[in-house]
Parts: sequence; C-alpha cells; structure tokens
Amino acid sequence: GAGVSQTPSNKVTEKGKYVELRCDPISGHTALYWYRQSLGQGPEFLIYFQGTGAADDSGLPNDRFFAVRPEGSVSTLKIQRTERGDSAVYLCASSRDTLGEQFFGPGTRLTVL
Amino acid sequence: AQSVTQLDSHVSVSEGTPVLLRCNYSSSYSPSLFWYVQHPNKGLQLLLKYTSAATLVKGINGFEAEFKKSETSFHLTKPSAHMSDAAEYFCVVRSGGGADGLTFGKGTHLIIQP
Repeated sequence: GAGVSQTPSNKVTEKGKYVELRCDPISGHTALYWYRQSLGQGPEFLIYFQGTGAADDSGLPNDRFFAVRPEGSVSTLKIQRTERGDSAVYLCASSRDTLGEQFFGPGTRLTVL
Repeated sequence: AQSVTQLDSHVSVSEGTPVLLRCNYSSSYSPSLFWYVQHPNKGLQLLLKYTSAATLVKGINGFEAEFKKSETSFHLTKPSAHMSDAAEYFCVVRSGGGADGLTFGKGTHLIIQP
C-alpha cells in the first residue's frame, strides 16, 4: 500500500512569505506527527495529532508555525513570515495509533532565501 | 524529560568487519528505544525497537541492539558490515506510557570502506 506522502518535495521561498506543507498519512492511521530536521541534526518533534485535534504542540518553535488536520487525515503545516532559520527538511510521520510504529514520509525541503 | 546522546558523529569500518554505533539515553520513565536509518534522499526507516520485553532486540538487515538499564545504553551492532549499510543512523527515545513525539539523537554517519 501507499506510504506517507508529502508535497511539495522542495519549496523555495523568500523571507517574509507564507508557506504551506502538506502531508498525506497512510490510510487508516489516526496519529500524525510533524518533525523538522535541520542540516546535520536529528529530526526534532514539532506537533502531533490524534484524529483532528492537536494532542501536543509543544515542539512548535513560535506562533508563526501552525498545523491543521481538519478531517483527521491530510495535515497541513503552515509557516507565516518565513525566516532564513526556518530552512530545513520538514518530515511527517503517521502511525496506526499513538503507541504504534511511526512511518515517515520523504520530507519537504524548505529553503528560505 | 528525555534525551539521547549518540557518542560518535561518524564511524568508519571496512566491509565485512563488525559495526558498533553507541547510544546513551536519559528518560524519566521506562523508555521505548528505537534505531532508525536514513539513506540519502530516502525516508527514515525503523531498524529495531525495544519496548520492555527482551533486552536483546533483533532488527532488519542483521542489526541488533542491547538495552542495558544500568548503563542507560542502547548500542547498535552488526557482525559484518555491507556496503549498503552506509547511511545515517539515529537513536531515538520515547517516554514510557506516553504518546509523545520521538526524541532523536543527532545521528551517526556510518561509512563503509571497501
């Protein structure tokens, strides 16, 4: 079956612009996670959803970052007023439930010029 | 709070020789521990996991890891390295009983010499 997919695979934007990153989880997976991986680092947790609600958003760095999952499937990570420091690979993962194995997507590479 | 320390940023071994990637963890609760592998331009893949059952865990591609509570370690080993093992490896912790996101180490880059 299909794995986790993320679009776009690459996004280049200018400082101050707004971007949206999309994640399509594995069908039937109720839990969805966002991570950010900066160059040379391990992924860092941002937020996770159980169904439609954000169960833990403690990893979001500031209020420019926001994520939604309105129908409990696809999720969108939104970044306002992008800064050069936001440049990273944004990873999405899904799992059958909150204790199950997390399956990762290929990531979206965001570059802020 | 939980954290992971991968003791080596780079490890280089010759093909056919053993691999050892070191990891120490810190967790307030009984943790679940994982090793993930990331090949260039590919997604993260789970190698193996420890969730309070047997302390010696076997994973895919001949890898295994041993959970040592007294040493707070979860080192990854493989008896004989293959060229295809060259990749970035991440040790990961998740607090026991929690449904939190994963906490990753900084990664160890494994280089296989021919």
